[in-house]
Amino acid sequence: NAGVTQTPKFRVLKTGQSMTLLCAQDMNHEYMYWYRQDPGMGLRLIHYSVGEGTTAKGEVPDGYNVSRLKKQNFLLGLESAAPSQTSVYFCASSYSNSPNTEAFFGQGTRLTVV
Amino acid sequence: GQQVMQIPQYQHVQEGEDFTTYCNSSTTLSNIQWYKQRPGGHPVFLIQLVKSGEVKKQKRLTFQFGEAKKNSSLHITATQTTDVGTYFCAPPSGYALNFGKGTSLLVTP
Repeated sequence: NAGVTQTPKFRVLKTGQSMTLLCAQDMNHEYMYWYRQDPGMGLRLIHYSVGEGTTAKGEVPDGYNVSRLKKQNFLLGLESAAPSQTSVYFCASSYSNSPNTEAFFGQGTRLTVV
Repeated sequence: GQQVMQIPQYQHVQEGEDFTTYCNSSTTLSNIQWYKQRPGGHPVFLIQLVKSGEVKKQKRLTFQFGEAKKNSSLHITATQTTDVGTYFCAPPSGYALNFGKGTSLLVTP
């Protein structure tokens, strides 16, 4: 059972480049989330989804877009990367019956924008 | 979302000493979760507290939820080097979790 899988694990981008981070979960979870983690800042919510075809903004959505075309996948896109988006990105998912149940996290994607 | 304050930000203990981290909210919480993140790793769920005054134990870890449901604590008895990591409290915020900034624990042998 893979749980939550993020790809890629590491990436270096030049300022202005675009990329997509992929999150896949095999637990049939309805809720999926993208967080970023910066030193001393904890985990901050970027976007989230409460089901296939739905997305919503979190605390720090600017500069990011997301899509949830399939229930098991949640994509995070950076259209024009900036150095301020250098961070570790975590995807998470949780069960559908109650929104505030245990969240399962992926291994993270370490992104550096130069 | 609602803000939670975690203190201390860092804690350095000798192996065998106790450790406590506190999570404080200005508003009443419906529940609160705790996560642990090992260095270089991802957050892993530890526990969820729901009831006022609730106390739960996991081996050397004791979790408490305040009577007013505005604060919570995690206490580790007799720390071990395997306890190293960052501990986050995470109350709900809408459909997601609102993570505190965490307490980083360093344990030296």
